[in-house]
Order: sequence, then C-alpha cells, then structure tokens
Amino acid sequence: DQQVKQNSPSLSVQEGRISILNCDYTNSMFDYFLWYKKYPAEGPTFLISISSIKDKNEDGRFTVFLNKSAKHLSLHIVPSQPGDSAVYFCAASASRNSGYALNFGKGTSLLVTP
Amino acid sequence: DAGVIQSPRHEVTEMGQEVTLRCKPISGHNSLFWYRQTMMRGLELLIYFNNNVPIDDSGMPEDRFSAKMPNASFSTLKIQPSEPRDSAVYFCASSLQLGRNTEAFFGQGTRLTVV
Repeated sequence: DQQVKQNSPSLSVQEGRISILNCDYTNSMFDYFLWYKKYPAEGPTFLISISSIKDKNEDGRFTVFLNKSAKHLSLHIVPSQPGDSAVYFCAASASRNSGYALNFGKGTSLLVTP
Repeated sequence: DAGVIQSPRHEVTEMGQEVTLRCKPISGHNSLFWYRQTMMRGLELLIYFNNNVPIDDSGMPEDRFSAKMPNASFSTLKIQPSEPRDSAVYFCASSLQLGRNTEAFFGQGTRLTVV
C-alpha cells in the first residue's frame, strides 16, 4: 500500500521557468518530509526537507511547501536549469513508527529543456 | 567521508543461486536501511537497523531474503535462492538518528539481474 504518492511520472519544463513537483501522502502520522534527487546509475541524494511544524522551507532555488490539511507537499524549482533534469522522489517518515525509516513515492522524472 | 559504500555495483546470477549484497554505512551513523527499487513499486523499504539491531523487517518480501548487521560498519542482504523477479536495484542507506528526524544518505546501489 503506497503511503506516499507521486501521481505525475514525468514533467517537462523549459529552462528558466518554474518546475512544480507534487506529492500526496495518506498516513497522518508522518511528521517529516523530504525530497531526493536521483541521476541514472547513482543513489538518491538529499535535496531539501520540511518538518510538519512548518509550511514552507526554502533553500536557494528550491522551496518545499507543506499543506497538512490536504496531506500534500510540493517542490518548486525556480529558475529551472538543465542540470536539474533527474528523477525526484518525495519521502516521508513518522518518528513514532519504525524509527525514522523513510517511505518513498515512485518518483517524478523532470526534464528541463534549453 | 567516502559515503555509503555498496558492493558489488552489478551482479548477474542464475536463478536458484545465493546472492549476497554488501554495505558499509557512513562512519558514526547508527541507522541503516535496505531499499529495493523497481519500476512497478518504486523505492521499497526492506529492513531497517538501529544500533545494529533489526527494528522493522516487515518489508522483506519472503523468507528467501535475510539481512544481518554484525557490527556498526557492515551489513549484508542475502537472497537464497534467487529468482528472476528479484531483479532490481538494491540500495543501502544510513543516517544518524538522535531523537529527531534526519535525512538518510544512500549508496550507489547494486543492480541485480537474476536470469
């Protein structure tokens, strides 16, 4: 049963524009959310995170928004660059369950075109 | 730090053979995770260790799968006997858990092909 869902398998955006990647979750116990970026033949690398006590976290071109009532989070990349082309995974953890193990979505493949 | 180190990077084996995947977590980290990535199911958590003790193995698909962590710097994931449907990329990740949520760091993965 997929507790973290990324309903868009792929997204194509022009360089310089905004990329918005979406993620929904079903487990109300989740209290920490992360985005990972993955290039082919490499492991996922941590990008940005947000605690459930916040609704926004910003790091350079990357901003994560959390809407707890809707059980929804999104990653905004502004401006998008060709090097951002990768698969982006949304992840969530519930500190009271299974320690801090991360539950992942299936990923969204982002293509940023010049 | 060299990061999480997994070996081998690629493994091709015949159905029925035993396969052992290896992981060296980041020094000082106290939590270790094994994940499996497939097209159909994405990244699935197989098992999670904290301070070398298995905490949650509910993701281990069958008794054919077993994982050990004999010490803080080494873990193995074993499949015996292997089957073609086990073909996937297996990732090991580690993190430092000190009573709060933190990110996990992933190795480069082992691509397993069972023919």
